[in-house]
Amino acid sequence: DAKTTQPPSMDCAEGRAANLPCNHSTISGNEYVYWYRQIHSQGPQYIIHGLKNNETNEMASLIITEDRKSSTLILPHATLRDTAVYYCIVRVAFWTNAGKSTFGDGTTLTVKP
Amino acid sequence: EPEVTQTPSHQVTQMGQEVILRCVPISNHLYFYWYRQILGQKVEFLVSFYNNEISEKSEIFDDQFSVERPDGSNFTLKIRSTKLEDSAMYFCATPGSGGMDEQFFGPGTRLTVL
Repeated sequence: DAKTTQPPSMDCAEGRAANLPCNHSTISGNEYVYWYRQIHSQGPQYIIHGLKNNETNEMASLIITEDRKSSTLILPHATLRDTAVYYCIVRVAFWTNAGKSTFGDGTTLTVKP
Repeated sequence: EPEVTQTPSHQVTQMGQEVILRCVPISNHLYFYWYRQILGQKVEFLVSFYNNEISEKSEIFDDQFSVERPDGSNFTLKIRSTKLEDSAMYFCATPGSGGMDEQFFGPGTRLTVL
């Protein structure tokens, strides 16, 4: 799986958009970008994933650059409950290879009132 | 949102004792995974299990660990003789019920070895 680089921490004001970047310059053509978050010591929570097109669901939006070497997770209206560690993981789709996911250190997002 | 349940939520044991952690995953997926997270450290992969066989395991998953599917719905992680360094959160995970697009994690079992 390709390596990812994320800033260790970010702050965001409550109600504002939180934009979390991720660099994955060695991503392969068949690898997807997955985002998870972990609130305190709870189990990682799936947020969103994408291959090359921008994706949106009820939780967030995922913007992937045209060269696919970086992406941004956007939480459009951050709340205090969005304070968590956010992980960007690059891997092949689970239906291709249902192997392990490798978690890095992630970005600790702190949403402030 | 689909759920993966794990029991117990917290297990305290003495060093050298055996522990069994349980997981009930989404639907009847044939895949499941175990991860662990030592306090303050990264989430680490332990083992993946497919169709009643181990498909991949990490260096952490030594002979003290085993996984089973004792019945049609439950999956277990057994640690035969616990060590102090086994103290961690243990998470099981399965693919989503809609297919293999994503991976859902359970709430975890906090294992404390004294």
